[in-house]
Amino acid sequence: QKEVEQDPGPLSVPEGAIVSLNCTYSNSAFQYFMWYRQYSRKGPELLMYTYSSGNKEDGRFTAQVDKSSKYISLFIRDSQPSDSATYLCAIHNTGNQFYFGTGTSLTVIP
Amino acid sequence: ETGVTQSPTHLIKTRGQQVTLRCSSQSGHNTVSWYQQALGQGPQFIFQYYREEENGRGNFPPRFSGLQFPNYSSELNVNALELDDSALYLCASSLGGTGPALILFGQGTRLTVV
Repeated sequence: QKEVEQDPGPLSVPEGAIVSLNCTYSNSAFQYFMWYRQYSRKGPELLMYTYSSGNKEDGRFTAQVDKSSKYISLFIRDSQPSDSATYLCAIHNTGNQFYFGTGTSLTVIP
Repeated sequence: ETGVTQSPTHLIKTRGQQVTLRCSSQSGHNTVSWYQQALGQGPQFIFQYYREEENGRGNFPPRFSGLQFPNYSSELNVNALELDDSALYLCASSLGGTGPALILFGQGTRLTVV
C-alpha cells in the first residue's frame, strides 16, 4: 500500500466552480499535511499545510483533514483560470521526507 | 541569494552515461533533499543531506549518490543512466528543525535519457 493515494484526474471545470481534490494516507503517525501547486515545468510551491484534523481556510482555498479516516481534501471556491495547474497532496513524517500523491491536473475553463 | 536554484534546467544524456545535477540552496538553509518526479507522478524522495552528511535515503539504488558542500550547495550524481531515469529532478532546501512548511523547492532539472 502506498503511503499516499490521490484521486486521479484530470479535472476540467468551468470558471467559478467549486473544486474538490482528495487524498488518503496509510500511516496514522503522519503529522503534517500539505497541498502543493505545480505549474507546468516548474517546481512545487506550497499552497497550504495543516497538522491537525479540521479545516484551514486561506482565501478561496480550504484544506480539510480527517485523521480518523486518514482523508485529506482541498477545496477551491470560485475557481479561476489561473488555478489551472497540478495539485499535489503531501505528507511529511517526523523524519525527513515527504510522501507525495501522484497529482491531479486541474483545468479551469474561462 | 533568495530561493533554490538548480542547474542545468534541462539536459539530454545517453543510456549508460553519468550525470551531475546541481542545487544552490536558499541562503541560511543547511538541509537539502532531492526528489525524482517521473512524468505524471508525484515526486519520490531520493535522499537528504544535513550539514554535509546523508541524513536519510529513499528506495533508490546506489548509483544515485549525492554531496553537500560546506556552503550547503549540493550535487546529485547518477551513474549508468537508464531510460527510466528520465524525470524532473527537484532539489528542496530548508533549515533543519524548522518544519516542513518552510521547505523550498527549486524549479527542477529535466533529464532525458535516450
